[in-house]
Amino acid sequence: KNEVEQSPQNLTAQEGEFITINCSYSVGISALHWLQQHPGGGIVSLFMLSSGKKKHGRLIATINIQEKHSSLHITASHPRDSAVYICAVNSGGSNYKLTFGKGTLLTVNP
Amino acid sequence: NAGVTQTPKFRILKIGQSMTLQCTQDMNHNYMYWYRQDPGMGLKLIYYSVGAGITDKGEVPNGYNVSRSTTEDFPLRLELAAPSQTSVYFCASSPGQGHYNEQFFGPGTRLTVL
Repeated sequence: KNEVEQSPQNLTAQEGEFITINCSYSVGISALHWLQQHPGGGIVSLFMLSSGKKKHGRLIATINIQEKHSSLHITASHPRDSAVYICAVNSGGSNYKLTFGKGTLLTVNP
Repeated sequence: NAGVTQTPKFRILKIGQSMTLQCTQDMNHNYMYWYRQDPGMGLKLIYYSVGAGITDKGEVPNGYNVSRSTTEDFPLRLELAAPSQTSVYFCASSPGQGHYNEQFFGPGTRLTVL
């Protein structure tokens, strides 16, 4: 079993819909990261959080440490949000090494 | 700032050939990393470095070597390329001070071994 599990693996939405991507982890962590990877493109860090909630534009990330779960929400989704969203965690006492989920492929249709 | 740059963007190797993937960052970051990304799998750490002259193995180091002679550069060497090394390789860096470092990624190198 992977230490970091994401769901769903694939998600298709219509423009304007509210999107939720989930991440569960099985180990104690010090921080959780959400990253975005566009097709054929590089990887960009969206959020890094260790508690509570963070918001940036239409993106919101939440984490529940007790339940070992995080969610990434996208409000008013747009075709340019189409990308792979990756969850990663700092675990094992490391503040720099990351363990990655397999990613969620999001497609937003116009 | 250019951030993290990688060369080449694409490369095709024959089995048994060797090559070096270059990675440079201009953010004065102490920590640097090499990852590989295989289809349907999460990124896997190959090697990492916490400063010039210091390197350590990650999850999947076999078949690779690294060096870190300067803060800026962290090349990854593939010796005797094998088809199993066909992958997309990402270099990343992070500041290294404080807690929970955000990592900054390069654009990736797509390597095919035939």
